[in-house]
Amino acid sequence: EDQVTQSPEALRLQEGESSSLNCSYTVSGLRGLFWYRQDPGKGPEFLFTLYSAGEEKEKERLKATLTKKESFLHITAPKPEDSATYLCAVRADGSNYKLTFGKGTLLTVNP
Amino acid sequence: EAQVTQNPRYLITVTGKKLTVTCSQNMNHEYMSWYRQDPGLGLRQIYYSMNVEVTDKGDVPEGYKVSRKEKRNFPLILESPSPNQTSLYFCASSFIWTQYNEQFFGPGTRLTVL
Repeated sequence: EDQVTQSPEALRLQEGESSSLNCSYTVSGLRGLFWYRQDPGKGPEFLFTLYSAGEEKEKERLKATLTKKESFLHITAPKPEDSATYLCAVRADGSNYKLTFGKGTLLTVNP
Repeated sequence: EAQVTQNPRYLITVTGKKLTVTCSQNMNHEYMSWYRQDPGLGLRQIYYSMNVEVTDKGDVPEGYKVSRKEKRNFPLILESPSPNQTSLYFCASSFIWTQYNEQFFGPGTRLTVL
């Protein structure tokens, strides 16, 4: 069974204090790892897709990396507007495009 | 604007009263899916569709029905809602026959069944 575990469950940072969120996964064959941002009461907003180990993608203060067992979302010099829940999801071989989600990391950035 | 829309956004109903939540996308996506999100359980797939007239069960299909008569629409039907279907529901869509198959989500429908 495909599994996605995110850590920590919650993270509180000061503005400008860089950190990383972790996503560990177990799948039969990875067809894509996805990062989403979700604000309270809203739908997940797509951030990145990673397909193979060693791949990296960046967007503003966010950088996503992928290994064979986990992915990291690095947040450099965060701002209060980066506060949100960050979701990791995987698509596996034979999954018919179903996404298996982790439970998310709630990030709070204090000014 | 490319988007996934859902209606209604909020719904309070009573046990047993049939309801439909609509979902529409304007991106010509082949794939559409319904998820529910519950505290401590995360997002779980209910049903999905890979094309018109092609639907299949996800992880938690009990108590739900779907249909896909048009490419852009994918309504979720609760024939006899029960309190355990109180949840936040999301519709999502994506391409499947290209390399760009990230799923885009609607704004959500918060359903309360009394």
